[in-house]
Formats: sequence, structure tokens, C-alpha cells
Amino acid sequence: EDQVTQSPEALRLQEGESSSLNCSYTVSGLRGLFWYRQDPGKGPEFLFTLYSAGEEKEKERLKATLTKKESFLHITAPKPEDSATYLCAVQRGETSGSRLTFGEGTQLTVNP
Amino acid sequence: GAVVSQHPSRVICKSGTSVKIECRSLDFQATTMFWYRQFPKQSLMLMATSNEGSKATYEQGVEKDKFLINHASLTLSTLTVTSAHPEDSSFYICSARGPQKDTQYFGPGTRLTVL
Repeated sequence: EDQVTQSPEALRLQEGESSSLNCSYTVSGLRGLFWYRQDPGKGPEFLFTLYSAGEEKEKERLKATLTKKESFLHITAPKPEDSATYLCAVQRGETSGSRLTFGEGTQLTVNP
Repeated sequence: GAVVSQHPSRVICKSGTSVKIECRSLDFQATTMFWYRQFPKQSLMLMATSNEGSKATYEQGVEKDKFLINHASLTLSTLTVTSAHPEDSSFYICSARGPQKDTQYFGPGTRLTVL
């Protein structure tokens, strides 16, 4: 059974204080690992897809990295508008569709 | 690009009635759409996978007669909650498999409250 564990559950940062969120996963044949951002009362917003160990993706203050067992979402010099829940999801490498297994998320709060 | 809409965004209904939620891919065609539900402070739980022109595939524990899914076109999938009860109150979110590999793009969600 695919498993995704995110840590910490919640993280409070001061504006400008860089940090990382962790996503540990167990999946039979990883097809892709996805990061999403979700604001309260809204649907998840796509951030990154990572396909193989060693891959890195960047977008503004966010950088996602992938190893064979985990992924990190690094947030550099965060701003209050980066406050949201960040979700990690894995997709198995099979032909049965593109279903995702999500972690519980990390709720990030950035204080001004 | 890759925009998904949902309608309505919020619905309140009486117990025993049925509610239909629409999910549309606005700027791309989606052969596969997904329906999730999310309880407060919890993650997304996949309910079913909807393929255009065929029957939906439901996850274990999801009643297919209660949650009717129709994917009649490449841009529209609907979820009908039949004979709704208060325990069906939740945040329902759809997604569509976008043009880039297997990335899913999510709609804004529908808040269902059953009185």
C-alpha cells in the first residue's frame, strides 16, 4: 500500500526565515511525486512534479528536491503570502490510471 | 492554462434530497477526471476515477449508488450525491488529468452542507 508522510504537521516561520518541509513516501514503482499548495476553502494548486531521484524544480521562493525515499520543499525567505497548506502526493508507475495518494499536509504560517 | 472549474461553490440542502456538482476543464480536454472529498484539517481522499464515455471506478468503501458520477464529455464530469444525509457534508473537489503527463489540476471545490 502506498504511504505518504509529511512533516512537520504545522510550521510557523517569521518572514524571511527559510526552512524545509519533508515528504517521506513508500510506493511500488514511483511514477511521479507532486507538490500542491492549498489555501483554506480552495482546491489544491499545482506546484511541481518530480519524476526521478536527484531531480530539482524551482519556482520563485520554492524549490523541490527528490530522493528515493523522500522529497523536500525548501522555502527561501518566505513571505506572509506563502502561508498555506502544502500537500505532497505520489503516483504509482502502472497503467491503471493517474490516481494520487496524498499526505496529510504541512500547514505553513509565515508571520510578518 | 489547465483551469478547472466547479459549480456550485457552496450548496446547502435538506436531508434526503439529491445534489449535483459539476466539474469542467475550461481550456483543455480531460479524458480522466477524479473526485475527492476532504474533511476539515484532513487530506484529500479519492472517491472515484471518472473516464469519459465509460463507467467510473470507485474506491473501496465508496457507495457507487449514492455517489453517481457521469463523464459524458471531454470537458465535463458530474457528481450527484443522492439522498444526502448530514454525514455527507464535506468539501468535494474534482480534478482533471491535464495535458502534461499525469499532472492533475484541481477545481476550487464545493462545500456541501446537508441539514
